[in-house]
Amino acid sequence: NAGVTQTPKFQVLKTGQSMTLQCAQDMNHEYMSWYRQDPGMGLRLIHYSVGAGITDQGEVPNGYNVSRSTTEDFPLRLLSAAPSQTSVYFCASRRGTFWYFGAGTRLSVL
Amino acid sequence: AQSVTQLGSHVSVSEGALVLLRCNYSSSVPPYLFWYVQYPNQGLQLLLKYTSAATLVKGINGFEAEFKKSETSFHLTKPSAHMSDAAEYFCAVSGPITGGGNKLTFGTGTQLKVEL
Repeated sequence: NAGVTQTPKFQVLKTGQSMTLQCAQDMNHEYMSWYRQDPGMGLRLIHYSVGAGITDQGEVPNGYNVSRSTTEDFPLRLLSAAPSQTSVYFCASRRGTFWYFGAGTRLSVL
Repeated sequence: AQSVTQLGSHVSVSEGALVLLRCNYSSSVPPYLFWYVQYPNQGLQLLLKYTSAATLVKGINGFEAEFKKSETSFHLTKPSAHMSDAAEYFCAVSGPITGGGNKLTFGTGTQLKVEL
């Protein structure tokens, strides 16, 4: 039982490049979500999913796409990276009142 | 919709002194409230949570928090600070799970510094 696994741990992109941040959980949780953490702003919800095939926007969805084809995986796509997307990204899944967080992906966009 | 406000982005205490980190919430439904801790360059660790049972909640590492509905507060306390408590602390709120509480909303965080 690995919990919530995020890859990669670190990534450097150039402006305009695309990439996908991976998130996988092996706990069969229906609910998964993506947050970004910026200094002084806490964690802000980007997108979330309540099950395979169902996604919805959070507080800061612009510039990010998600899809949920399986219960286990919830990738976050940056189609054209911008410096404003430099941040630490956390994936989380939930069962009941317990949220399980991944270790994070530190992304720098130059 | 739910939100939390953490008063004080930086708090400094002496080792052995009381730790008090403030959190006020706003919620249109009965809230579930959480405190998380984040050590440098690490992920989030749950300290404690309130889910409508006892209003005084005890967590890990000697921390506790009291839910006060009349004051819409959920302040985090620890009687005696230790150097290892230096970290960033986040208060968070969600709605009841059965009521569509699919969003965990975080405060902006409080950086705790512990001095000798």
